[in-house]
Amino acid sequence: DQQVKQNSPSLSVQEGRISILNCDYTNSMFDYFLWYKKYPAEGPTFLISISSIKDKNEDGRFTVFLNKSAKHLSLHIVPSQPGDSAVYFCATRSTGTASKLTFGTGTRLQVTL
Amino acid sequence: GAGVSQSPRYKVAKRGQDVALRCDPISGHVSLFWYQQALGQGPEFLTYFQNEAQLDKSGLPSDRFFAERPEGSVSTLKIQRTQQEDSAVYLCASSLRETQYFGPGTRLLVL
Repeated sequence: DQQVKQNSPSLSVQEGRISILNCDYTNSMFDYFLWYKKYPAEGPTFLISISSIKDKNEDGRFTVFLNKSAKHLSLHIVPSQPGDSAVYFCATRSTGTASKLTFGTGTRLQVTL
Repeated sequence: GAGVSQSPRYKVAKRGQDVALRCDPISGHVSLFWYQQALGQGPEFLTYFQNEAQLDKSGLPSDRFFAERPEGSVSTLKIQRTQQEDSAVYLCASSLRETQYFGPGTRLLVL
């Protein structure tokens, strides 16, 4: 049973446009949400996070939105750049699990010229 | 460097061989985590240390997997009698608070 789902395995976006990556979760105990970016042969790199007490967090070109009632998380990248091409993972942490993260399966973003 | 480092980066083992994977966390990070990432999947939690104490080992797939962090800094993940299904990337992460910072991983291939 996949508690964190990223239903789009891949996404292609033109440079300069907005990229929207989605993530759905099932466990209402999740209280902290993160996005990681991964290049081939490297470990995941932290991008942005949001606590369950907020519904939006912004950092430069990256904005994360949290809809608790829908158990839905999204990452917006605007404007998209070719260097953003990577695999993006959403990850969640639930209250009382000592920070163990549960990851989705990832979405491969390709930003084209 | 200031990041998490792991060694070796690549390891090829014959089935039945024991392997040891090393993780050097970011200096001062109290928490250390090990994850296993199979091809095409997201990382899956294996075990968690707070300083030298192993507080959660619920993700270790079998008793062939063992992790230690004796002095609360460097950690070693040991896999005994490796099997082909152990082939994966093993990721180490460390944290001070909520955000976990990952190393580059060790890619293990068991033949």
